[in-house]
Amino acid sequence: DTGVSQDPRHKITKRGQNVTFRCDPISEHNRLYWYRQTLGQGPEFLTYFQNEAQLEKSRLLSDRFSAERPKGSFSTLEIQRTEQGDSAMYLCASSSNRGPEANTGELFFGEGSRLTVL
Amino acid sequence: AQKITQTQPGMFVQEKEAVTLDCTYDTSDPSYGLFWYKQPSSGEMIFLIYQGSYDQQNATEGRYSLNFQKARKSANLVISASQLGDSAMYFCAMTGAGNMLTFGGGTRLMVKP
Repeated sequence: DTGVSQDPRHKITKRGQNVTFRCDPISEHNRLYWYRQTLGQGPEFLTYFQNEAQLEKSRLLSDRFSAERPKGSFSTLEIQRTEQGDSAMYLCASSSNRGPEANTGELFFGEGSRLTVL
Repeated sequence: AQKITQTQPGMFVQEKEAVTLDCTYDTSDPSYGLFWYKQPSSGEMIFLIYQGSYDQQNATEGRYSLNFQKARKSANLVISASQLGDSAMYFCAMTGAGNMLTFGGGTRLMVKP
């Protein structure tokens, strides 16, 4: 296991369609995060899981967005009825509350899934 | 609420010279952590350096050092001996009582040969 992987890397869709992104965290990491990053901006927090429990959700996560982590391993982020304003990079990150990174809270990021809504 | 401010949208530096990227923060949490991440054009966020709010010494990691001034609420990143591969976006971020990172708007660093 070499890091956080995200799929697909790029997605182009038409307005109104549903899209789903998948994130596979580092295998021993129990914490998983979703962030959204628009062009020229810093990442914005969307939601956070510890194991399978979704513990925090941002106000940015409208009712068209849903995230799951059913078995505490991989996670999916679904966007329903996409809008042009949803075009962004969706970043997944993982961390652990055990081991060295537990002391710092360091997040390990994937390469992101870039969404373009036409 | 936490807030990170990076006031330099873009910076140029000559190869082999040092550069300082500014970061100020605001938080009411007594305990917090400060991070710098690098984001090359490929999109991946690469961890560079961490400073805990109670750490007495400034953090260093190879060519990266963090100039932590707690009273000023600043956490500037210093990159020594810049290399062409350092050209990227740089983000300052912090954690606090919550479990997520709050990021600044970033600084684009361009290293000139």
